[in-house]
Amino acid sequence: GAGVSQSPSNKVTEKGKDVELRCDPISGHTALYWYRQSLGQGLEFLIYFQGNSAPDKSGLPSDRFSAERTGGSVSTLTIQRTQQEDSAVYLCASSLGLQVHQPQHFGDGTRLSIL
Amino acid sequence: GNSVTQMEGPVTLSEEAFLTINCTYTATGYPSLFWYVQYPGEGLQLLLKATKADDKGSNKGFEATYRKETTSFHLEKGSVQVSDSAVYFCALSDQQGAQKLVFGQGTRLTINP
Repeated sequence: GAGVSQSPSNKVTEKGKDVELRCDPISGHTALYWYRQSLGQGLEFLIYFQGNSAPDKSGLPSDRFSAERTGGSVSTLTIQRTQQEDSAVYLCASSLGLQVHQPQHFGDGTRLSIL
Repeated sequence: GNSVTQMEGPVTLSEEAFLTINCTYTATGYPSLFWYVQYPGEGLQLLLKATKADDKGSNKGFEATYRKETTSFHLEKGSVQVSDSAVYFCALSDQQGAQKLVFGQGTRLTINP
């Protein structure tokens, strides 16, 4: 498809386990963002990648969270030693660039539930 | 830091009613302002945007005007339809152009026929 693709769509795991969430951006989009949507905190920025520049990790809530973007395309968000407060919908977005006239296109998200 | 405050929902209206969803912001500098919409079962979509003071963004009959003096970006529509039922998010990005969006808490809108 032509949109941002995220997998899995749902993930249920036990507290303490590690999880990996995947994002396939729109082809040709150089910027990629991760956000988290939770009941308590609303929609929060986590991290973004732009081309080959160092990612902006300023929104990551703890060092248990990390993200990679390989080859300037697919990105993986990893949460280590998951906690119940990590339960949320994790949204990925991509855009042609960082300019305001280049809007972000969002995927449908991964719903993460920590038991 | 930057923040966005939206009117609390849920909001329930009858079809053809006038809609206003209030949004105010706190930011340093001159942010760009956005309204995003999330229809049931779908992902977030950009509805409209404004990049400088007094700009009016519009799309699908919705409008919002960037008011610097009141730090507001209220969403309006003259006559809502059942298909407008969704969650609406006001957001801003800083002037650095990085587009790290800061979102309001969202307002759930339900339109009854």
